[in-house]
Amino acid sequence: EPEVTQTPSHQVTQMGQEVILRCVPISNHLYFYWYRQILGQKVEFLVSFYNNEISEKSEIFDDQFSVERPDGSNFTLKIRSTKLEDSAMYFCASSRLGTSGINYEQYFGPGTRLTVT
Amino acid sequence: DQQVKQNSPSLSVQEGRISILNCDYTNSMFDYFLWYKKYPAEGPTFLISISSIKDKNEDGRFTVFLNKSAKHLSLHIVPSQPGDSAVYFCAAQEGGNKLTFGTGTQLKVEL
Repeated sequence: EPEVTQTPSHQVTQMGQEVILRCVPISNHLYFYWYRQILGQKVEFLVSFYNNEISEKSEIFDDQFSVERPDGSNFTLKIRSTKLEDSAMYFCASSRLGTSGINYEQYFGPGTRLTVT
Repeated sequence: DQQVKQNSPSLSVQEGRISILNCDYTNSMFDYFLWYKKYPAEGPTFLISISSIKDKNEDGRFTVFLNKSAKHLSLHIVPSQPGDSAVYFCAAQEGGNKLTFGTGTQLKVEL
């Protein structure tokens, strides 16, 4: 069964450093997403990506964040200068389609635990 | 932002009995609802979904009911099994794209 994969599983970084979280979505999916879950809180939407551009982003997704699909398989989330409050589980997800009134379930990867010290 | 609420943080059920997990929402523009199961240190796993034009969807032991007038949905698991013990998240979507999640309910199925 196809699945979303994410690397690394755990990333420890110092405040102010740049991190890149990597995801390989399910191969025939067209929409890609990043979510995060701070410990003890709900899963929150960060950004969605379709056709090589951002289709929607939340207020959390400020100028410190960026996403990219550098090749035909990877989808990355970059945080330019990490802060302590960026510590969270980051989940990548993908779906066959998203907007135009058509809903499809999103499939999530196992997550990357980011710890900022 | 509490557009999706799961008011029960935990639920304990005996094996073989029915588990009922509840979810309320406030945004009347939501048109698609999903339930996910999550084990510790893993990502959410899709379970079942329902479109706003339906009031029930069934898949094996899992049934989701939607009451649009009450802005309420529920997930029924019957019979409950020990492997069902996990955190269950309700999520809602408006016109595709982002999911808005509830806070989750920890289900424990006891022998």
